[in-house]
Amino acid sequence: DTGVSQDPRHKITKRGQNVTFRCDPISEHNRLYWYRQTLGQGPEFLTYFQNEAQLEKSRLLSDRFSAERPKGSFSTLEIQRTEQGDSAMYLCASSLVAGNVNEQFFGPGTRLTVL
Amino acid sequence: DQQVKQNSPSLSVQEGRISILNCDYTNSMFDYFLWYKKYPAEGPTFLISISSIKDKNEDGRFTVFLNKSAKHLSLHIVPSQPGDSAVYFCAASARRGTYKYIFGTGTRLKVLA
Repeated sequence: DTGVSQDPRHKITKRGQNVTFRCDPISEHNRLYWYRQTLGQGPEFLTYFQNEAQLEKSRLLSDRFSAERPKGSFSTLEIQRTEQGDSAMYLCASSLVAGNVNEQFFGPGTRLTVL
Repeated sequence: DQQVKQNSPSLSVQEGRISILNCDYTNSMFDYFLWYKKYPAEGPTFLISISSIKDKNEDGRFTVFLNKSAKHLSLHIVPSQPGDSAVYFCAASARRGTYKYIFGTGTRLKVLA
C-alpha cells in the first residue's frame, strides 16, 4: 500500500500526558499537511511542511503542539500536557506540487481521546 | 468566520436519481476547489476538483459546477448509488503559498436502495 499512513490509529490518554503521532506520506510527495477534525466539523488546517521546512502554522496550533519532519519524509506531531479539548481526529495529508495541481491525499487519521 | 459553507448537513436521495450537494465560499482569493468523500473511520478521499478558470468539470458520474460570480459550487452525482452514501466535504484553496485547504462542515449523503 503506497498511500499515506498514520500511527497509531487510536490513542486514549489522560489529561496532562504527552502524545506523539506519526505520519508517513506518499514517498515522492514534497508537501505534508496536518489537519484536525472535530465532531460535526470539516478538517481544519494546523501546519504544513515543504520538504523538511515547516512553513506555516495555524493559530490553532498552541505552544503545546510541535511538529517535525526531520528528513523531509515522515512527520511527527506531538501534543504536550494534553487537554480534553485536544480530543479530535488528527489527519495527515501529502501532496506533490506540480504546476497548478496540488491534490492532497489523506491518511486514515489518528483519533485522540483525552480523558 | 466560516469561509466555506455547506448549509445542508444531510441529504437523502433515491438510488438512480441525481444527488446535488452545494457549497458556498466567501473568499475571492480562492481559485481551486475540491470535493472529498469520507467514510467512517477513514480519511477523506479525493473525488473531483475544479480550477477557477473553468465552470464545469466531469469525471464519470461526478460533475462539479462553479459559479464564480455567486461564489457557489455544486457536486452532481448521476446516477446515485448506495455506495455513494458518505459525508462529502467541499474544500477551497488559493494556489499560492501554503495551498492549504479550507473545508466546509460536510453534507451527509444517504442513497436509499
